[in-house]
This record gives sequence, C-alpha cells and structure tokens, in this order.
Amino acid sequence: DAGVIQSPRHEVTEMGQEVTLRCKPISGHDYLFWYRQTMMRGLELLIYFNNNVPIDDSGMPEDRFSAKMPNASFSTLKIQPSEPRDSAVYFCASSLPASGGYEQYFGPGTRLTVT
Amino acid sequence: SQQGEEDPQALSIQEGENATMNCSYKTSINNLQWYRQNSGRGLVHLILIRSNEREKHSGRLRVTLDTSKKSSSLLITASRAADTASYFCATGGDSWGKLQFGAGTQVVVTP
Repeated sequence: DAGVIQSPRHEVTEMGQEVTLRCKPISGHDYLFWYRQTMMRGLELLIYFNNNVPIDDSGMPEDRFSAKMPNASFSTLKIQPSEPRDSAVYFCASSLPASGGYEQYFGPGTRLTVT
Repeated sequence: SQQGEEDPQALSIQEGENATMNCSYKTSINNLQWYRQNSGRGLVHLILIRSNEREKHSGRLRVTLDTSKKSSSLLITASRAADTASYFCATGGDSWGKLQFGAGTQVVVTP
C-alpha cells in the first residue's frame, strides 16, 4: 500500500490567494482527518470525515477554511483567501477504527507558506 | 485544547541509555496511543494501549497506563541515534476515530 498521499508537498503563495491541499487516504479506510501543525499551537485537528461525511468541523479556524470529500479516495482542504497566519504544515490521516485499529496513518504533510 | 500533556518537553540522552517520557490526560479515554515524528515527516503510529490494559510491549518500547492517575509512560530501551524524534501521546475517547494529541516530547539521542 502506498500509504496516505498528500499534494503538493510544499506550497508558497501570496496573501489573498486561494490554496487547495489534496489527500488520498489509504484504500478501505473510512475515516479521514485533516490536521494543522505549528510550533505555537502544536497539532490541531481541523475536521474529520466518516464515510465521506463531515463529522466534526469544530477545529476549522474560520469560514476561510473549507474541506470536502467527494469520494472515498479523495479529499481537499481549501483556504480562501489565505493569510500569513495560515502558514503551517497540514497533515491528512486516515484510519479504520471499526476493525479495532484505532491508529491513524499520516501522510507526509503539505508545508504551506503564505507571504 | 490539548488533552494530553507530555513530560518532559525535551530529553537528551546517549545511545544505549533508556528514554522515559510521560503523558497525563484529563478526561476518560477508550485508548491511548503513542506516535513518533521525525523532523519534516508525518507522524508514525508506535503503539496503542486500551483503557483496560496496564502494560504493553513492542520491540524496545514499553507503554504503561494508569487510568486512576490518568497517566501513561513510554519507555524506549537501549536507545539508538535513529530514535531521535518527537514523541506524541494521543487519547481516544467516545468519538470513534478522533484523537487528541499532546504537545510532544523532543528526544535527542547522541552517538
């Protein structure tokens, strides 16, 4: 298995631009998570999906952030418009807790820099 | 807010020594997990311990869980330079799949 795939690995954009981050979970996993990691705030859960349906988006910082999961093998996290304080590493993770495997498998992350 | 708090924040040891880090949490849990993150990489799952378990081993890793004290410890025995990483505890509660991560312990193992 290729693991969780994220793209792009690095993104540099100017303030005000739209940014779209992409994630492909591990095949068969029915939970997908988006996290943000910064030095100041650590690892924060932004939103998670179960069977493509958003379950908890209470971690999404504001309306500029949106996430979708149109099918079981693809999810996007969009920031529009982006701001310098959005600079962080964004991780996607997937899991299959119904099998008893509560562990999450993380992708390599997308390092976002907003100038 | 973070559920788990790791202690110490940073740990520096020499190869061959043991490394111990602790995690305290606030609310009841279903399971507690430990993850490792190498610099510039994603988190990697190390070990999971369920709320009805007290100790678990995996290779050079030993995890203990004391639900009465709401705390867990991770012991890495005979550390190697490759163990240099940040280690995070994560707690799982009622919401299936959802985890809350601590701030992490940064471990440096020098040859």
